[in-house]
Amino acid sequence: KNQVEQSPQSLIILEGKNCTLQCNYTVSPFSNLRWYKQDTGRGPVSLTIMTFSENTKSNGRYTATLDADTKQSSLHITASQLSDSASYICVVSDRGSTLGRLYFGRGTQLTVWP
Amino acid sequence: EADIYQTPRYLVIGTGKKITLECSQTMGHDKMYWYQQDPGMELHLIHYSYGVNSTEKGDLSSESTVSRIRTEHFPLTLESARPSHTSQYLCASSEGTQGRSGNTIYFGEGSWLTVV
Repeated sequence: KNQVEQSPQSLIILEGKNCTLQCNYTVSPFSNLRWYKQDTGRGPVSLTIMTFSENTKSNGRYTATLDADTKQSSLHITASQLSDSASYICVVSDRGSTLGRLYFGRGTQLTVWP
Repeated sequence: EADIYQTPRYLVIGTGKKITLECSQTMGHDKMYWYQQDPGMELHLIHYSYGVNSTEKGDLSSESTVSRIRTEHFPLTLESARPSHTSQYLCASSEGTQGRSGNTIYFGEGSWLTVV
């Protein structure tokens, strides 16, 4: 069964600290993996997209890594800011269907305290 | 910033009422999608469209219906709302097929529906 599991479910850190969010998936055949940021009550916003051949991709203070062999990804946030408080969603796409089906994780709820 | 808009943002209606959630995008995308998301849960695809006059049901069974008469417009309708329809509905669009690498999916702000 194709699944995307994220950990931790929630995380609280102090402003200025770094943190790492985890994503494990069983989706096969794999096409790409995306990280989204979703502010409370808003729609998700794309942070990164990585294909099978990409190990690392950065977007400002966000750095995503991908290990396609172990089917794991992480999102590292550097020097956190209050505005980083949001849910971070891992999304994996397969290449076995015309639609390119997306499998969503439940997200990690990050809270940054001053 | 994504040019995709949803209205209303918040709606509380009584059981049995008919409602339409509006979604419009100005990016000229052929592909549009409706997702349903309950608090703390993952998004589920309920409808998608590859272009005008093309609509398909998604992975999650839904009693809602959609139409695509114009490229930029993809409304979702519930003929008779029930409390079980209470959820957040997210509209999205992409230039290419959603799962294909390089195709960014742009989401609207969401419509929070509460049926009492």
